Amino acid sequence: DGGITQSPKYLFRKEGQNVTLSCEQNLNHDAMYWYRQDPGQGLRLIYYSQIVNDFQKGDIAEGYSVSREKKESFPLTVTSAQKNPTAFYLCASSRGLAGPYNEQFFGPGTRLTVL
Amino acid sequence: SQQGEEDPQALSIQEGENATMNCSYKTSINNLQWYRQNSGRGLVHLILIRSNEREKHSGRLRVTLDTSKKSSSLLITASRAADTASYFCATDTGLGGANNLFFGTGTRLTVIP
Repeated sequence: DGGITQSPKYLFRKEGQNVTLSCEQNLNHDAMYWYRQDPGQGLRLIYYSQIVNDFQKGDIAEGYSVSREKKESFPLTVTSAQKNPTAFYLCASSRGLAGPYNEQFFGPGTRLTVL
Repeated sequence: SQQGEEDPQALSIQEGENATMNCSYKTSINNLQWYRQNSGRGLVHLILIRSNEREKHSGRLRVTLDTSKKSSSLLITASRAADTASYFCATDTGLGGANNLFFGTGTRLTVIP
C-alpha cells in the first residue's frame, strides 16, 4: 500500500515541552510539506522540503523545526517557542516537479493539544 | 495574502441537488486544484485545472476557471450524503518553492439525506 502516514493521531503536550510529529511516505516523492490547520481555517504552510537534506521556511515557521535526512521521512518538532501550538497538523508530499504534476498527497493528520 | 477565498463559507443542500462552490484568488497561477477534507481527516485531491483550461470534468465534478476574473467554481452534481465535507481550492502560483500551493479557507458542504 502506497501512502503517507502520520503519528501519533492525537498528542498532548504540557507547556514548555518540545514534541515531534512523525511523517513518513512510501510514494517515492521528492517534496514534502507541513501545514497547520486551525478550526474553520485553511491550511498554512510551516516548512517544506524539495529534496533530501534541504528544507525551507513556509509562512509560519517560527517555533517549529524540521529535518529531512531521508527521502521518506520529514519529522516536525513543535518547540516551546511556539506560542499557540494547539492545532491540527497535516503532512503532505508531491512528486516535486513543477507544472501539472504537483498534486499533493496528505496524511491523516495529528491533532496536538497543549495542556 | 496569496490565499484564495471560497464562497460560500458553508452550504447546506438536499441529497440529489447540485452544489456550487466558488474560489477567488489574487495572483496569476499555473494551475488551480480542488481538495476535499472529511472532518478530522487529511485532504484528498479531487481535480486540477491548468491556467490554459476553462473547464474540466471528473465524474460528478465540474470545475471551471476564469483567469480574467481570477476565479474558479466547483460543481458537484446529484449530491449524496457522502459528499458532506469541506472543500478547498489551492493555487499553484509558482511563487515560493516549486509545487507550493496556497489554500483557501474552505467551503463546508452539508448534504441532507
